[in-house]
Amino acid sequence: GEDVEQSLFLSVREGDSSVINCTYTDSSSTYLYWYKQEPGAGLQLLTYIFSNMDMKQDQRLTVLLNKKDKHLSLRIADTQTGDSAIYFCAESIGDYKLSFGAGTTVTVRA
Amino acid sequence: GAVVSQHPSWVICKSGTSVKIECRSLDFQATTMFWYRQFPKQSLMLMATSNEGSKATYEQGVEKDKFLINHASLTLSTLTVTSAHPEDSSFYICSARTSGTDTEAFFGQGTRLTVV
Repeated sequence: GEDVEQSLFLSVREGDSSVINCTYTDSSSTYLYWYKQEPGAGLQLLTYIFSNMDMKQDQRLTVLLNKKDKHLSLRIADTQTGDSAIYFCAESIGDYKLSFGAGTTVTVRA
Repeated sequence: GAVVSQHPSWVICKSGTSVKIECRSLDFQATTMFWYRQFPKQSLMLMATSNEGSKATYEQGVEKDKFLINHASLTLSTLTVTSAHPEDSSFYICSARTSGTDTEAFFGQGTRLTVV
């Protein structure tokens, strides 16, 4: 996880937008991912973006990629209580391995 | 998406015993499986990568004699924690993917191991 960095906590009001930021180091990464982990559970792939794209939108999720700055963000529109979880940013490295950030704990308050 | 099932979901074992965790791909052939370890409030640390029919590749610092990985078929990989100690207590997660460039990796639900 040392090559991928994320802020550890985010608190957001229900209905507002959440923005989770991530920086990575491997410029050769072909794909960048966002995973969601609910308490006591495994990881669920939320979305991913190919490295030659700047933006990808999927319903309430918007991924922005700044390849020059190696910066990735995930925006969740109209955040709901069910969005409370830990969100992991990951980059693909070498032979299909994934390098994960430490995870951002998102807490949605009423 | 495809389903990866881990078993058991949680296990408590005595110090010095061995524990086996299974990871199964239920509806696809997993040519590659990955085993991760997650400490509380920390990221996933890749322990090893296994390809079906060959020996696992362990990450630096992971004891291969302690964490035995077997990937004997395209749908099953096992992780055996040998002579477990309390410091081995952790959340272990597997993921599986098919062959091809950057195919999606599907994750199991994880196994909580507690060594007492």
